[in-house]
Amino acid sequence: DAGVTQSPTHLIKTRGQQVTLRCSPKSGHDTVSWYQQALGQGPQFIFQYYEEEERQRGNFPDRFSGHQFPNYSSELNVNALLLGDSALYLCASSSNTDTQYFGPGTRLTVL
Amino acid sequence: GEDVEQSLFLSVREGDSSVINCTYTDSSSTYLYWYKQEPGAGLQLLTYIFSNMDMKQDQRLTVLLNKKDKHLSLRIADTQTGDSAIYFCAETGTGFQKLVFGTGTRLLVSP
Repeated sequence: DAGVTQSPTHLIKTRGQQVTLRCSPKSGHDTVSWYQQALGQGPQFIFQYYEEEERQRGNFPDRFSGHQFPNYSSELNVNALLLGDSALYLCASSSNTDTQYFGPGTRLTVL
Repeated sequence: GEDVEQSLFLSVREGDSSVINCTYTDSSSTYLYWYKQEPGAGLQLLTYIFSNMDMKQDQRLTVLLNKKDKHLSLRIADTQTGDSAIYFCAETGTGFQKLVFGTGTRLLVSP
């Protein structure tokens, strides 16, 4: 049984560019949450998707947007990248409001 | 508001017990979690406790919850070098299960 998978593993972008990160949930899960983890910090909640809708959102600007597909996979898009967006982006999946299981993350570096 | 605090660092010798502490502020927290993160990796769920429980034991792990003081602890018995990692405490309120994380406790186990 595959766990949560994320792609790509690493990504390097320059300021002002746009990036798309992808997440496939654990089998049987229908909910995807995204978190940003800056170096030396705990993960910060970005948003959660359920039934292809954004259900809850953290304190992140509109430059951060997402999407959930009918197969429950999800994308995180970040526009107009800033140096401060450099972080590990973690995807977590769950069965609705049940326990969240995390993927390995995507390391984004903005130069 | 929601806030979770942890001590930053703990050092123990192999074979000793480790106790990692966490305090939280959200009295509506339904579940409290402990996650483990190894260098460059995602978060691994270790255990969780429902807010109406005082204690939960799972093999070498013991979770104690003092709801009155909003204090959570994770005890690792017979700590091994492979337990060296960052441990995150997280809480979630009722509703849609946004996780709020502490800054993590780095556990170093020396031989």
